[in-house]
Amino acid sequence: DQQVKQNSPSLSVQEGRISILNCDYTNSMFDYFLWYKKYPAEGPTFLISISSIKDKNEDGRFTVFLNKSAKHLSLHIVPSQPGDSAVYFCAASDDNYGQNFVFGPGTRLSVLP
Amino acid sequence: DAGITQSPRHKVTETGTPVTLRCHQTENHRYMYWYRQDPGHGLRLIHYSYGVKDTDKGEVSDGYSVSRSKTEDFLLTLESATSSQTSVYFCAISEYGTVNYGYTFGSGTRLTVV
Repeated sequence: DQQVKQNSPSLSVQEGRISILNCDYTNSMFDYFLWYKKYPAEGPTFLISISSIKDKNEDGRFTVFLNKSAKHLSLHIVPSQPGDSAVYFCAASDDNYGQNFVFGPGTRLSVLP
Repeated sequence: DAGITQSPRHKVTETGTPVTLRCHQTENHRYMYWYRQDPGHGLRLIHYSYGVKDTDKGEVSDGYSVSRSKTEDFLLTLESATSSQTSVYFCAISEYGTVNYGYTFGSGTRLTVV
């Protein structure tokens, strides 16, 4: 049974609009969450993180929201750009030292010009 | 990423043959990981290492073995490749305490078992 779920395999958004990618998890011990972006033929690259002591973290156009009671996090991209088209993975860990992250299956975002 | 390289980038092998994938890092990071990526499953951990000669199993370790004789190299071996091991394999590294930054990944090895 997957501990980290991304129920939307794909998402299409118009350039300039907001992209919202969702992630749900089942393990209440998860305290650290990451989002990675992956382009074809490349390895995943780190995008943004959040720990359970926060409910929001921003970095430029990217904001991650965490709702611990609902075991849900989301990544908002505003405004979306064609270069954001990629597969986005969320990952979660219960380890204070950043090990043993569990990854979701990914959501493919397409930003249409 | 320049600090982590995987070889080969692509490989086609026959069922039943042994295969070794190599991950090399120049960052002197303590932790190294092998993941496989398959459609619908995301990234699943195969094995990881927390130091030279210190390794442990991940979620999908059956059919795989690893070795780490030097800090910079982490080898993944498929003793007898099967078609179910056709996948894209990613190596990752991390330093102790990088919880807010996660792992740095290599560019991947695409393995096809025919």
